[in-house]
Amino acid sequence: AQSVSQHNHHVILSEAASLELGCNYSYGGTVNLFWYVQYPGQHLQLLLKYFSGDPLVKGIKGFEAEFIKSKFSFNLRKPSVQWSDTAEYFCAVMIYNQGGKLIFGQGTELSVKP
Amino acid sequence: GAGVSQSPSNKVTEKGKDVELRCDPISGHTALYWYRQRLGQGLEFLIYFQGNSAPDKSGLPSDRFSAERTGESVSTLTIQRTQQEDSAVYLCASSLAVGNEQFFGPGTRLTVL
Repeated sequence: AQSVSQHNHHVILSEAASLELGCNYSYGGTVNLFWYVQYPGQHLQLLLKYFSGDPLVKGIKGFEAEFIKSKFSFNLRKPSVQWSDTAEYFCAVMIYNQGGKLIFGQGTELSVKP
Repeated sequence: GAGVSQSPSNKVTEKGKDVELRCDPISGHTALYWYRQRLGQGLEFLIYFQGNSAPDKSGLPSDRFSAERTGESVSTLTIQRTQQEDSAVYLCASSLAVGNEQFFGPGTRLTVL
């Protein structure tokens, strides 16, 4: 069965540190890839998405992610985190031609210390 | 409305009772999805609807779970004879069409005692 794995359950960083959250998926065919974020007390919202084209995608709030097909990875990065980035981050995969259902990773909780 | 809405926001019920959760998608969105998030876990797909096509029920965990959608509007997720393992946050999402970005609602937190 297809699955998505996020390497870190909880990451703690100081402000201005760089961030990289890992995401790997298990499926050999065409996929669309997403990172969602859930700030405390808020809805899940889309950070960025990859459908096709340039494998380096930029999202909101200075986040970016790189799709590396050979590694089945879609890692999320931010060069300098802020306290307001404290949230839970979810990687998700949509299998092409299998409907629009998303397969989510377990989530990574990011805590940024001011 | 401006976004996806869900009701109730919280539901506490006794084991064995039936519950009904409601989702109002964004107007004009033809696709609607239900997910479940158990404590400390990622979201788990349950079911999706696309227009008038037959729904994809492949994620429903048991026959106690069912869902309906009227046209391209409201959807209800029904859980019969609730069990403690049904305790979770149930999230609804909608998108313009299958394959597009999904917009999530605030969820319904279900607690089965």
